[in-house]
Amino acid sequence: GAVVSQHPSRVICKSGTSVKIECRSLDFQATTMFWYRQFPKKSLMLMATSNEGSKATYEQGVEKDKFLINHASLTLSTLTVTSAHPEDSSFYICSARDILGSYEQYFGPGTRLTVT
Amino acid sequence: AQSVAQPEDQVNVAEGNPLTVKCTYSVSGNPYLFWYVQYPNRGLQFLLKYITGDNLVKGSYGFEAEFNKSQTSFHLKKPSALVSDSALYFCAVRVADSGYELNFGKGTSLLVTP
Repeated sequence: GAVVSQHPSRVICKSGTSVKIECRSLDFQATTMFWYRQFPKKSLMLMATSNEGSKATYEQGVEKDKFLINHASLTLSTLTVTSAHPEDSSFYICSARDILGSYEQYFGPGTRLTVT
Repeated sequence: AQSVAQPEDQVNVAEGNPLTVKCTYSVSGNPYLFWYVQYPNRGLQFLLKYITGDNLVKGSYGFEAEFNKSQTSFHLKKPSALVSDSALYFCAVRVADSGYELNFGKGTSLLVTP
């Protein structure tokens, strides 16, 4: 149980375009989802916390107009990277917290974004 | 603010030997501590957690960790390493009664050689 999927697993886009990444909890409901960014050989940096039906809470230094987060249902959160730049290239990982209140987060497999 | 430190960038162990991956934490309240493992180009997999109770926590794949309040540590251990254990390991902390976000350590790369 407790499976989180991400789509796509890899995406290449051109500078200036937007790309959407989906995060789905497959067998549980998630009131809260988290979006992380990971640079090569680096730790995970929390970008934002996404709560179902409300606005996401962004961490300091993360541009909310650039990284649009929508948590429209208890099983789906999306991250849209708008007007992508090469420096946005990274590994984006989402996680979800079970509505039943368990303490651990379940992580998706990640999405490799390359902006050319 | 809560944080964790993983002092080692890399740990090298021969297969069959015991392994330890170190983690220390700094929090102002009661910590919830977690270990995750990440294989190349993959997301994080949950290994184990400490919330309360027995200081020795047993997790997936034969891993265990010991919560030591006096030393503010939560080291990950395994009695006999496997080559397949080679991966990136992350320690994370959440403070009880705070938000649900986790603060991760920088990660420790474990290399188990045959």
